Amino acid sequence: GAGVSQTPSNKVTEKGKYVELRCDPISGHTALYWYRQSLGQGPEFLIYFQGTGAADDSGLPNDRFFAVRPEGSVSTLKIQRTERGDSAVYLCASSLKGPGLAGQETQYFGPGTRLLVL
Amino acid sequence: AQSVTQLDSQVPVFEEAPVELRCNYSSSVSVYLFWYVQYPNQGLQLLLKYLSGSTLVKGINGFEAEFNKSQTSFHLRKPSVHISDTAEYFCALKMGAGSYQLTFGKGTKLSVIP
Repeated sequence: GAGVSQTPSNKVTEKGKYVELRCDPISGHTALYWYRQSLGQGPEFLIYFQGTGAADDSGLPNDRFFAVRPEGSVSTLKIQRTERGDSAVYLCASSLKGPGLAGQETQYFGPGTRLLVL
Repeated sequence: AQSVTQLDSQVPVFEEAPVELRCNYSSSVSVYLFWYVQYPNQGLQLLLKYLSGSTLVKGINGFEAEFNKSQTSFHLRKPSVHISDTAEYFCALKMGAGSYQLTFGKGTKLSVIP
């Protein structure tokens, strides 16, 4: 079946602009995660959704970053007043139910959106 | 706080030779451990995971890893690599039951030389 998809695959913007990054999780997956991967680093957690609500947004670096998932499926990561330091690959992942009583669920990752802020 | 260390940023190896990619972790509680592979311009794909039980875990594409609690390690091995194994490999952990946040190492780029 279809995996996690992310659009756009690449985004180039100018410093100060607003961007939106979209994630389509695997159908039926209730849990959705955003990670950011800077050059030469491993992915870093940003936010976790269970259904429509953000269960944990502690990884968002500052208030310029915001994410929504209004219908419990597609999610959009929004970045206001972009800065050059925001340049990275933004990864989305989904899992079937979320951690529950065990953290055993596999997270399935999309191909990412490569954001470049000039 | 938990952390994952991948000591080797790049590992070159000849085709059909064995390879070991090292991963050490730090955590004050029990952990679940994962290895993901990232091919160019693709997302992360799960290779294998350790949750409990047998410390030797077998994954896809002939890879295996061994959990060593005393050495806080989870090294990835393959007895004979192929050109198609050229990719970046990430070790990651979750902090046990109820956790959802993956903590990743910086990755190891495996280059298989023909």
